[in-house]
Amino acid sequence: DQQVKQNSPSLSVQEGRISILNCDYTNSMFDYFLWYKKYPAEGPTFLISISSIKDKNEDGRFTVFLNKSAKHLSLHIVPSQPGDSAVYFCAVTGMNRDDKIIFGKGTRLHILP
Amino acid sequence: DAGVIQSPRHEVTEMGQEVTLRCKPISGHDYLFWYRQTMMRGLELLIYFNNNVPIDDSGMPEDRFSAKMPNASFSTLKIQPSEPRDSAVYFCASSLAAPWGELFFGEGSRLTVL
Repeated sequence: DQQVKQNSPSLSVQEGRISILNCDYTNSMFDYFLWYKKYPAEGPTFLISISSIKDKNEDGRFTVFLNKSAKHLSLHIVPSQPGDSAVYFCAVTGMNRDDKIIFGKGTRLHILP
Repeated sequence: DAGVIQSPRHEVTEMGQEVTLRCKPISGHDYLFWYRQTMMRGLELLIYFNNNVPIDDSGMPEDRFSAKMPNASFSTLKIQPSEPRDSAVYFCASSLAAPWGELFFGEGSRLTVL
């Protein structure tokens, strides 16, 4: 039973436009939410995070939005660039010391020239 | 810092053989994680350690899988005997402060079991 769902396996976006990646989770006890980015033949790398006390966190072109009542988070990339083509993983966890980090299946983002 | 180092990068083996994957975490990181990536299941947590002690191994698929961390700078994930369904990319990651700390992943070990 998936606790973290990324329902779009892939997404294509024109360069310069906004990319929106979505993620849903099932357990309202999760307190901390992360996005990781993965290029082929490399390990995932941390991109941006948000805690449950916020509803938005911004870092340059990347913004994560959290809707706790809907158990939904999204990652916005604007403007999208060719180097953003990668697989994006949503991840959730709690704030207790031994809480696991649980990842979604990922969304492959293609930025079209 | 060299980052998390995994070996081998690629392993091709035959069903029934023993496979050992190795990981050197970033020096000073207290937490070490083993993840497996497949198309069907995405990134699954297999097991993680805190200060060399296994904390949660509930993600280990079955008794054929075992993991050890004999010291702070080395961990192994062993599959014995291996099966074709174990084919996946296995990632090791380390962290200073889990679970909310950033995970630093290695480049992964791609395992193919024929």
